[in-house]
Amino acid sequence: RKEVEQDPGPFNVPEGATVAFNCTYSNSASQSFFWYRQDCRKEPKLLMSVYSSGNEDGRFTAQLNRASQYISLLIRDSKLSDSATYLCVVNPDERAGGTSYGKLTFGQGTILTVHP
Amino acid sequence: ETGVTQSPTHLIKTRGQQVTLRCSSQSGHNTVSWYQQALGQGPQFIFQYYREEENGRGNFPPRFSGLQFPNYSSELNVNALELDDSALYLCASSPPGERGYTFGSGTRLTVV
Repeated sequence: RKEVEQDPGPFNVPEGATVAFNCTYSNSASQSFFWYRQDCRKEPKLLMSVYSSGNEDGRFTAQLNRASQYISLLIRDSKLSDSATYLCVVNPDERAGGTSYGKLTFGQGTILTVHP
Repeated sequence: ETGVTQSPTHLIKTRGQQVTLRCSSQSGHNTVSWYQQALGQGPQFIFQYYREEENGRGNFPPRFSGLQFPNYSSELNVNALELDDSALYLCASSPPGERGYTFGSGTRLTVV
């Protein structure tokens, strides 16, 4: 079983649509969770961190369910510029004080294409 | 401008050769990690350095090695290159107390 699993898609949606991505992780001791966005042939860029209480940044909403080891990302009112690969990322280790330690474990990525 | 710079951007090597990839992080970013991203896959953790010492390693053979320098730069060295080493190699750094990582734009290595 992969440590972080995502539906690779691709998702093809029209502008204005709402789209949801799901992700599961296997390590119940994981500490930090993120969504990264990666444009074609570019580096991954942090989209948002994910917290148990859920968090929202404009059109983007992220949710974490620790009991089910499940992470989600919801994009509302999709824009053409949202077309990218969305990577679910888990950090299994964290030192005291919040300093990141250890590996970021990435899912395979979910490809999103928003069309006119 | 991400603050993390990698060089070179592209590289072609022959099987069996050795390669050194370089990364320069922002001042104060004392944690640096290297990742390998094959086509169509998510990045895979190679190793991490903290204050110039390796403090975490993924499932990569010893021919993948690294160094971190006091000026926040680092290197990834790969010996005895294999065709499967062809990938995008990403460097990521994190300042103290931050959970998120900033990635460089990567070096695309092709082994022929």
